Order: sequence, then structure tokens, then C-alpha cells
Amino acid sequence: GNSVTQMEGPVTLSEEAFLTINCTYTATGYPSLFWYVQYPGEGLQLLLKATKADDKGSNKGFEATYRKETTSFHLEKGSVQVSDSAVYFCALRGAQKLVFGQGTRLTINP
Amino acid sequence: SQTIHQWPATLVQPVGSPLSLECTVEGTSNPNLYWYRQAAGRGLQLLFYSVGIGQISSEVPQNLSASRPQDRQFILSSKKLLLSDSGFYLCAWRPSGGASLYNEQFFGPGTRLTVL
Repeated sequence: GNSVTQMEGPVTLSEEAFLTINCTYTATGYPSLFWYVQYPGEGLQLLLKATKADDKGSNKGFEATYRKETTSFHLEKGSVQVSDSAVYFCALRGAQKLVFGQGTRLTINP
Repeated sequence: SQTIHQWPATLVQPVGSPLSLECTVEGTSNPNLYWYRQAAGRGLQLLFYSVGIGQISSEVPQNLSASRPQDRQFILSSKKLLLSDSGFYLCAWRPSGGASLYNEQFFGPGTRLTVL
């Protein structure tokens, strides 16, 4: 079945550091892939998405590229800010529902 | 535009008491609807989803149930709460059929439930 595996957290970085959160998936075919972000005490918000191989999703300085060869969708940002502190979820689209990874908690220190 | 509402925002209930959490969506028709639970410091667990009125799929057997009495209303219930039911409950919706090319889900603000 479909599954998503994310990098274990928590991840703690200093402001302006480079960020990578790894995400790999197992799926039949080529599902759409998503990154969601959850700020403290809130629901999830879509951060970015990609629908086919080699697509790059981007938003708020974050990027992720749909890599079919490595079945990956790693999240990257060149220079993180304190306001990026949140939990990040990788997900893929299944038949009727999204399949989520376990989430990675990111803390950015000033 | 579409919006999703959840209430209450927070709830503290004693063990053994009943539960009813409500989710409503505005600005769309026949959405797919979802209930998730997020235990403290953990990931999302899909509890139920619905593709239409009266149609409920259960992902995890437990003492919770869901109902969809109207097209844009999704209710999560329990007859007797357990301590382990504490968590952050999230409702989400997604356009059905070919309405959304990307089929992303849109989440509500959540309900924080504490069972004492």
C-alpha cells in the first residue's frame, strides 16, 4: 500500500541555516505529493505541492522536487527564519484520502 | 470562497462522558470529508472519511463514531470517552471527483480535547 516516511525529528537549527527535511514514499503509480505545515495550536496548511515527476513545488522560500527515480520529495529552504518553527508533514494522494508521514518538528533559534 | 469551521475550539471532558465535535464546510458541494486525530507530539491518524451523506468509512476501530447528516456537516461522536481519546482533532475537506486537479485537502482549525 501507499506510505510516506519522513525524517525523524525534532530538528533544531539556527536562523539563516539551510534546511532539508527528507521525505520518501511508496506508492503505485505517480501520485501527487504535498508538504503541509502546522504552526503551534493550529490546523494544517498546504505549503507546496507537485503532481508529476520532476515538478518543483515552491512557496515562502521552501522548495521540493518530485523525484521519481528516488521516490523522494525532500523539503528545502536556503535560509530559515524563527517564524518557520512548526511541524512539517509530507503526504501523497491516495484514492480517496491523503497518506501522511509522521511529521517533523522544526525549531529555529535566533 | 470555501471555509471550514470546527467547534468547539477546546473541550475538557471527564472519562466516561459523551462527545460531539462538529465540522462544517461552506462554499462547496459534495466535498469529501475527513476526521483526523493528533496525539501530543505525534503525527496524524485518519479516523474517518466520508464521500457523501450517510457514507462513512472507518480507518481505525475504536470507541469513536462519525456521521454525516448533511452534505457539508461532519460529526465525530463518542458515547463514553477514554483517557486515550485526548488529542487534537482535525477536520478536513477535499473537492470530490474532478473538481480539483491536485486533490489537496483543506484543514479546519482543530479542536483540542482533554479527557480527565
